[in-house]
Amino acid sequence: NAGVTQTPKFQVLKTGQSMTLQCAQDMNHNSMYWYRQDPGMGLRLIYYSASEGTTDKGEVPNGYNVSRLNKREFSLRLESAAPSQTSVYFCASRGTGSSNQPQHFGDGTRLSIL
Amino acid sequence: DQQVKQNSPSLSVQEGRISILNCDYTNSMFDYFLWYKKYPAEGPTFLISISSIKDKNEDGRFTVFLNKSAKHLSLHIVPSQPGDSAVYFCAATHFSGTYKYIFGTGTRLKVLA
Repeated sequence: NAGVTQTPKFQVLKTGQSMTLQCAQDMNHNSMYWYRQDPGMGLRLIYYSASEGTTDKGEVPNGYNVSRLNKREFSLRLESAAPSQTSVYFCASRGTGSSNQPQHFGDGTRLSIL
Repeated sequence: DQQVKQNSPSLSVQEGRISILNCDYTNSMFDYFLWYKKYPAEGPTFLISISSIKDKNEDGRFTVFLNKSAKHLSLHIVPSQPGDSAVYFCAATHFSGTYKYIFGTGTRLKVLA
């Protein structure tokens, strides 16, 4: 059971380049999320998708776009990468239901922007 | 404005002793709280949670306590084991059309053998 799969695991970009981070889940979850983790900052929500066909901004959406391609896949796009977007990016999914459904996370994409 | 705070960046504990990790929140709308554990180069994994209608939840060696009046929760690990060495994040949520989670900055726990 793969759970949440993120690709790629590592990437180095030059400033101004574009990049799409891929995320797929096989748990039939409705909700999917993108976070970034920076030292001393914890996990900050970039965008989320409550269900297929819907997306909403989180705490730090500037410089990013997302696509909920279908129920399984939720991608994060950097149109013009900046050094401030160097971070570890985590995708998560969550099933429908009451508040006691936890999120399931992928293993992250480590992105460096030079 | 950080709604969920973990004021201790790190904690060291001897194997077999109790580890206590703390978390404070400011938003009184939060009605569900979770703890996640994270090992290096892996994603966070769910550990234990508590609803705002409870003040304690226990799962094996892990217990979470919630003090709503103080807007404070804590995670107790007894006895601590070297394999518990990880970064622990607390998170809080409430329903606002969907569930969005606010995470603390994490506490790095080191259990010394």
